[in-house]
Amino acid sequence: QLVLTQSPSASASLGASVKLTCTLSSGHSSYAIAWHQQQPEKGPRYLMKLKSDGSHSKGDGIPDRFSGSSSGAERYLTISSLQSEDEADYYCQTWGTGLVVFGGGTKLTVL
Amino acid sequence: EVQLVESGGGLVQPGGSLRLSCAASGFTFSTYAMTWVRQAPGKGLEWVSAISGSGGGTFYADSVKGRFTISRENSKNTLFLQMSSLTAEDTAVYYCAKDLSVGAIYDAFDIWGQGTMVTVSS
Repeated sequence: QLVLTQSPSASASLGASVKLTCTLSSGHSSYAIAWHQQQPEKGPRYLMKLKSDGSHSKGDGIPDRFSGSSSGAERYLTISSLQSEDEADYYCQTWGTGLVVFGGGTKLTVL
Repeated sequence: EVQLVESGGGLVQPGGSLRLSCAASGFTFSTYAMTWVRQAPGKGLEWVSAISGSGGGTFYADSVKGRFTISRENSKNTLFLQMSSLTAEDTAVYYCAKDLSVGAIYDAFDIWGQGTMVTVSS
């Protein structure tokens, strides 16, 4: 069964870096994912598509502070030089034959 | 500018029906699969349904299969979601989203609308 697992919450200080993790279920470590950001009271915003080899393609206007990487079944989103507007929910998304799956989301707090 | 604008949400009684629309602009609508995703209050994102660029292929989450129908009118750059037999569990913000790649049915979603709220309550 295709499942994405995310930690419910994370926090980091203004100006620091944070690394969020999205874990693919067993047998699905080759899958690509996408990262999306959802600021409070807004719709989701596409950040990037991230492949198993770590290559990624970012959405238009996404700052260089956002980067992605992969290791095995883990997919990472690293945000550097944290700003107050980075405080948001972050969702990973993947897809297979006949379905699309979202992780439960990670709520990022910028201290 | 690439844009998706949803409409049609509102308050509906249990067992009722509602039709959502999503107006697309700024890209060649007919060449991209489109998707509906919903978000219940305080909850995460849930995929609802997808449709191929031509409209010939449609796909549904088990939670809505047999009750919801996705369709599109490419001449008007518009996506639809017809919802029937609604229950309180269908209460959510409904977003339309565009697939990243031309011709793909399942892919990353690179453009999202602002959402339209559907409330099912008596």
